[in-house]
Amino acid sequence: EVQLVQSGAEVKKPGATVKISCKVSGYTFTDYYIHWVQQAPGKGLQWLGLVDPEAGESVYAEKFQGRVTITADTSTDTAYMELSSLRSEDTAVYYCAVAGVAVAGLSFDFWGQGTLVTVSS
Amino acid sequence: QSALTQPPSASGSPGQSVTISCTGTSSDVGGYNYVSWYQQHPGKAPKLLIYAVNKRPSGVPDRFSVSKSGNTASLTVSGLQAEDEADYYCCSYAGSNNYVFGTGTKVTVL
Repeated sequence: EVQLVQSGAEVKKPGATVKISCKVSGYTFTDYYIHWVQQAPGKGLQWLGLVDPEAGESVYAEKFQGRVTITADTSTDTAYMELSSLRSEDTAVYYCAVAGVAVAGLSFDFWGQGTLVTVSS
Repeated sequence: QSALTQPPSASGSPGQSVTISCTGTSSDVGGYNYVSWYQQHPGKAPKLLIYAVNKRPSGVPDRFSVSKSGNTASLTVSGLQAEDEADYYCCSYAGSNNYVFGTGTKVTVL
């Protein structure tokens, strides 16, 4: 059974950095890209970026370039998303998702449960 | 990369059909056959409904169907059921390993 289990909720002050983890199981970690998606309260989904666990390479959405870092640790089958210079508008649920495990094509077929990050002074 | 445009809301009575549009550009929806759709119930993670424009994962009923013309993809939910009340998002591959989501549509079953 494919599972993506994310770390718990975080409360951070403006200007701080948050790092969220996403531990996967049920498939070979290095075979598929891990993506991260942001959802602010009452708002839509926004793609942040992805990591290729095998190559260790990442691609980021233009909006978050310079503030987001997505990495993968193949020794623990865990992906990480780090967001720096936090501001109030970064308050959101962050999801990790994997693409292509169950279905072909570039779509997110399994998702983590989400991690709430609250940015507040 | 701008979000794909979806209507904010759509509604229908049980048994009726509702169609949600997803409009992008030739750099995303119109340029690739990699549009996917997701259903999200309140407080839950999104769930994949449709991938590669018009394919359904195992377990997704054929009440959900998609069409695409040019820069617009459309999701139709036929035979509306109470459990179809949710938010729906389209997503398109946009080249160079980039992706863009739609603005989301809240479907209400009257």
